[in-house]
Amino acid sequence: DTGVSQNPRHKITKRGQNVTFRCDPISEHNRLYWYRQTLGQGPEFLTYFQNEAQLEKSRLLSDRFSAERPKGSFSTLEIQRTEQGDSAMYLCASSLGVKNEKLFFGSGTQLSVL
Amino acid sequence: AQTVTQSQPEMSVQEAETVTLSCTYDTSESDYYLFWYKQPPSRQMILVIRQEAYKQQNATENRFSVNFQKAAKSFSLKISDSQLGDAAMYFCAYSSPKYSGAGSYQLTFGKGTKLSVIP
Repeated sequence: DTGVSQNPRHKITKRGQNVTFRCDPISEHNRLYWYRQTLGQGPEFLTYFQNEAQLEKSRLLSDRFSAERPKGSFSTLEIQRTEQGDSAMYLCASSLGVKNEKLFFGSGTQLSVL
Repeated sequence: AQTVTQSQPEMSVQEAETVTLSCTYDTSESDYYLFWYKQPPSRQMILVIRQEAYKQQNATENRFSVNFQKAAKSFSLKISDSQLGDAAMYFCAYSSPKYSGAGSYQLTFGKGTKLSVIP
């Protein structure tokens, strides 16, 4: 069990650029979640997948945000036309998708938009 | 919408002593899940303890225990025999059964409490 892996660990970009983050969940986990954590706040739910199906995306912050999980394994989160307000840590988590089971988090990608 | 409030931005405790972190929440649902997560400087959120609202018995995990007061919508975390490794941000979180019944975890988090452990 190698845990949930997120890359890159840090990303610095200029306003207006597009960025993409990757998340590799624990191998047998069929559910995958994205959260955003801004400074001084708790994580905020964005979206989640059951296998390759995106079951909830209404909480994505704007239409500049999109996520994919094409083969039900790794997932990517893309932010288009980044703004300074997008600066935050983006956390990925995964679970087996059964009741009472634990959610495992990765160490996040810290995004800084200059 | 559910909200989670942690009124203590920072707390400190002497090593080997006991500390209690507070959490209150607001919900109209009768069944739900409550969690305490630890976030050390490594940034990875780690589950400390969970409580199911329909269970009256307070959850315990080794040195960690909760005081769940459903009527008061209060969910405090007690850490006994505090260790240096307990120093971290602690987040209280809520999950609705309409999301978590099938294993889904759309968590609502509080703002966190930074715990320092004094040697």
